Amino acid sequence: GQNIDQPTEMTATEGAIVQINCTYQTSGFNGLFWYQQHAGEAPTFLSYNVLDGLEEKGRFSSFLSRSKGYSYLLLKELQMKDSASYLCAVTDSNYQLIWGAGTKLIIKP
Amino acid sequence: GAVVSQHPSRVICKSGTSVKIECRSLDFQATTMFWYRQFPKQSLMLMATSNEGSKATYEQGVEKDKFLINHASLTLSTLTVTSAHPEDSSFYICSARAVSQGLSTEAFFGQGTRLTVV
Repeated sequence: GQNIDQPTEMTATEGAIVQINCTYQTSGFNGLFWYQQHAGEAPTFLSYNVLDGLEEKGRFSSFLSRSKGYSYLLLKELQMKDSASYLCAVTDSNYQLIWGAGTKLIIKP
Repeated sequence: GAVVSQHPSRVICKSGTSVKIECRSLDFQATTMFWYRQFPKQSLMLMATSNEGSKATYEQGVEKDKFLINHASLTLSTLTVTSAHPEDSSFYICSARAVSQGLSTEAFFGQGTRLTVV
């Protein structure tokens, strides 16, 4: 079956760095997405990786290793507004998005 | 970035009635649209995938006669919740993607629709 695993909840301190991991097992691979979702709102796009390596975009970076079925989202200089759920999603061979359950990130002052 | 407009954002309906939710891609052609449901404190659950001009593919456990999906054009998909019941109360989100030349593109999400059935 298809499966995506990510931690349920993480806590970090304002100004610090946090890494959210995602491992996947899917039928085929056509890219991995990270989305941010605040409570009661639709997800917003953060990053897209299809090749191995690190993609940096401001305070957020995303890493992919296809051979290991592994990705992480790195958030630097954490701000209170970064408190949200972070969703990992993989596009399979049929271009369907398979979603992780999301990681709730709690930022403390 | 591309814009997906979902309407209405909130709707309250009586049990037994039907509700239609629209999802429009405003500045691109969406070859594929996805409909998700999200219950409080849970992840997005894919309900169905629709490709323009063809019947939607429903996920296991989703009643196709209850959740009618129409994707008649490359910019519009609709989800109709028929004979709604209180347990259908949820946050419904659409997303639209354009798959070009076999390359995966990001999915753009609508704003979501909060459905409350009373």
